[in-house]
Amino acid sequence: AQTVTQSQPEMSVQEAETVTLSCTYDTSESNYYLFWYKQPPSRQMILVIRQEAYKQQNATENRFSVNFQKAAKSFSLKISDSQLGDTAMYFCACMDSNYQLIWGAGTKLIIKP
Amino acid sequence: NAGVTQTPKFQVLKTGQSMTLQCAQDMNHNSMYWYRQDPGMGLRLIYYSASEGTTDKGEVPNGYNVSRLNKREFSLRLESAAPSQTSVYFCASTSGPVSYEQYFGPGTRLTVT
Repeated sequence: AQTVTQSQPEMSVQEAETVTLSCTYDTSESNYYLFWYKQPPSRQMILVIRQEAYKQQNATENRFSVNFQKAAKSFSLKISDSQLGDTAMYFCACMDSNYQLIWGAGTKLIIKP
Repeated sequence: NAGVTQTPKFQVLKTGQSMTLQCAQDMNHNSMYWYRQDPGMGLRLIYYSASEGTTDKGEVPNGYNVSRLNKREFSLRLESAAPSQTSVYFCASTSGPVSYEQYFGPGTRLTVT
């Protein structure tokens, strides 16, 4: 069975700093998708970034980028120039062969002014 | 284009009562999902529907039933609510092989007393 582990329950950084959230996963699939979702206090789940496992190039979306290490089954999220609006829960997820998402427990990120 | 909508947003039930959570999407997506989110945990899949007319159990289906009424609507029913079903419930949909991104509704906070 697939598993997704986020080892940092909570992190806090100062505004404008860079922060990296960790995620490791376990899958027997040869091709799969990995996702980071953000859940602000409004409770809405928002896709931050997506990585296709067969692509070696790390995905980037503006201030958000990933460090995808396929052999190590690691998928960390880097947020550059952090902003107050980045305060949220961040969830890592891996898609299995049935197109279902397996979710990590989440990391609570607090950006301090 | 409303995306994924859920009703109600909040609900309080007494143990043993029944209710149906409604979900609808207007993106012409084939697949729809029901998750529950408990404190300190990631999302857990209750049921999903890969296409109109089909439904399958997820990780935590006990105590729930679903109906895929048509391509747009996917409802979740609690026949006899229990305090252990106190949670936030999310509905999601995906276009599938196009991007696999799941789009989420705003969630329903359910309390069973």
